[in-house]
Parts: sequence; structure tokens; C-alpha cells
Amino acid sequence: KNEVEQSPQNLTAQEGEFITINCSYSVGISALHWLQQHPGGGIVSLFMLSSGKKKHGRLIATINIQEKHSSLHITASHPRDSAVYICAVRSTTGNQFYFGTGTSLTVIP
Amino acid sequence: GAGVSQSPSNKVTEKGKDVELRCDPISGHTALYWYRQSLGQGLEFLIYFQGNSAPDKSGLPSDRFSAERTGGSVSTLTIQRTQQEDSAVYLCASSLWLSGGTFARYQETQYFGPGTRLLVL
Repeated sequence: KNEVEQSPQNLTAQEGEFITINCSYSVGISALHWLQQHPGGGIVSLFMLSSGKKKHGRLIATINIQEKHSSLHITASHPRDSAVYICAVRSTTGNQFYFGTGTSLTVIP
Repeated sequence: GAGVSQSPSNKVTEKGKDVELRCDPISGHTALYWYRQSLGQGLEFLIYFQGNSAPDKSGLPSDRFSAERTGGSVSTLTIQRTQQEDSAVYLCASSLWLSGGTFARYQETQYFGPGTRLLVL
């Protein structure tokens, strides 16, 4: 049983397309993180959410606490957005972080 | 300023040997995490340090794994008697705790190091 489920697992898009990656979780959380892992392996934290919506450039992240669901949107996608996007939640019951298996995004020029 | 650094960046060892992996967090960050990412797998939580509190070791996969954090800064993850299934990328992250917030007791953004790629032959 995975505490965090992401969809889709793989996504290929044409440059300029609007992209949505979904994350559902089953545990009580204190925060949800969206992470980006580049092909070389480096991980960057994109957003940390506890409610509502955040926007940074072409990236938008939303969270619905009641539905235990979050979405990451990329507007006007670009080949440099190609990476693995990982959803992670911090449990309220401890210091545990649970991670989704990631969504591998490829944006084709 | 400098980000989280880890050393070595790559480590190849023979089965049964002990290895030490080092993490230098961002200065002033009180929280430090170790994670593992096996090939083709997602991230796996290993251990968490927060200030002077006892570490949360709930993610360590076996008693061959241990970690310490000296002086609230540098951390070392030690794997004794390495096994081939220990091969993975070991990632360290640090964060700064902030009090308050409408949803939780704290808010934090984690900053990840580049990882140590461990290969056990």
C-alpha cells in the first residue's frame, strides 16, 4: 500500500502544452511538497503546500485537504521542464516523509 | 550562499565493507534528513535529525545503518557490512524550521544535496 500515489507515471507533451500531474495521499499530513529531479539526479524543491494554491513562474500547485489531493500544473511547457516530478507528504504522526514514485515528464520541441 | 553538500559523490565498495557518507547542511538549518533512492525506485526516508532532539530512526532498513550529527551540523551516515541491495543514491536534505502557520506547527522547505551514489560489488 502506497501512502502517496501519483499519476500519470509517464507523460510526453509537445512544447507549449499545459501539463497536469496529480498526487493523492492517504495519511494525515502537515505539508505536501512537489520536487523536481533532473536527469542528472539533482533534486529541487518546487513548492511546499499546506493549503490553497501557490504559483511560481509557469508552475502552479494546488492542494485540496478535504479530498487529500494535489495537482502540479505547468503552463506553456518547455523542453527544459523535462524531469521527474515527485510528490512528497509529511505525516502528522511523526517525522516521516512519504514519497510518490514520480512522474517522468518529457517535453518534445 | 553554499547549498547542501555531500561527499563522496560516488563510492564503490566491496560487499561486507563499511562505508561512511557525509552531509554538510546549509548553515543554520536545524533539521537534517537522509533519504535513499534505489535504481528505478522512489525516495525512501531513512532518518531525521532536529536540533538536539533524539533522531527519528524509524526509516533505517536494518541495524547495519546508523547516523550521527555532530554539533548540530555535519552528519555522517554509516553502513556496516554493506550488501549489494544497499546500492543506491543516498540523499541528504536540510531545512529551517519556522514556528507558526495556519495548518501546522511548522513550515519548512527542504534543500537537497547532490547525493552520494553508492555501488556495492
